[in-house]
Amino acid sequence: AQKITQTQPGMFVQEKEAVTLDCTYDTSDPSYGLFWYKQPSSGEMIFLIYQGSYDQQNATEGRYSLNFQKARKSANLVISASQLGDSAMYFCAMREGSSGAGSYQLTFGKGTKLSVIP
Amino acid sequence: ETGVTQTPRHLVMGMTNKKSLKCEQHLGHNAMYWYKQSAKKPLELMFVYSLEERVENNSVPSRFSPECPNSSHLFLHLHTLQPEDSALYLCASSQGPPERVYEQYFGPGTRLTVT
Repeated sequence: AQKITQTQPGMFVQEKEAVTLDCTYDTSDPSYGLFWYKQPSSGEMIFLIYQGSYDQQNATEGRYSLNFQKARKSANLVISASQLGDSAMYFCAMREGSSGAGSYQLTFGKGTKLSVIP
Repeated sequence: ETGVTQTPRHLVMGMTNKKSLKCEQHLGHNAMYWYKQSAKKPLELMFVYSLEERVENNSVPSRFSPECPNSSHLFLHLHTLQPEDSALYLCASSQGPPERVYEQYFGPGTRLTVT
């Protein structure tokens, strides 16, 4: 089974509107972390936001927020007030465990291509 | 220079060539990573170095050989590659060991084409 599932290969959003990118995950480890990265056409992966499995509140970073629903194992990214520069691939990733060699590994989803329409 | 840099940005090589990819991080991190990104596939972790020691090697073929001479530099030596090795190779760094979670910061990648 896939550990990270992003069901939306592509999404369109009107400029200045909000958009939600879906991510579900699968793990039996009680300690894990969830990440979102943005990859513009230039190729660089840009870290956006992080949510820890024990965090009580949803993470927020500027226009990015993470809608964390632990029981449903979902960690959706919400981008508010979309801008043309938000057009990119977006990847959800998970780190399992909190220590040891395995905890260095991030497992990535296949990504969602977001296109912002002027 | 700031962040994570990678050279070259683009590389075309024949199957019998030997080449090396270079990564340098200017963030004071002590863990570095090599990832492979192929078309229509999730990002795959290849190698992890922490404090210059390899801590992860995800069943990568021996034609890929990493080297980490210090905590700021990471190399990926390539020899006798196959066309299916054509991909974007991304380097990343993070703080560690991970008593807490640390995000990884990525370089711009090297686009490798094997002919």
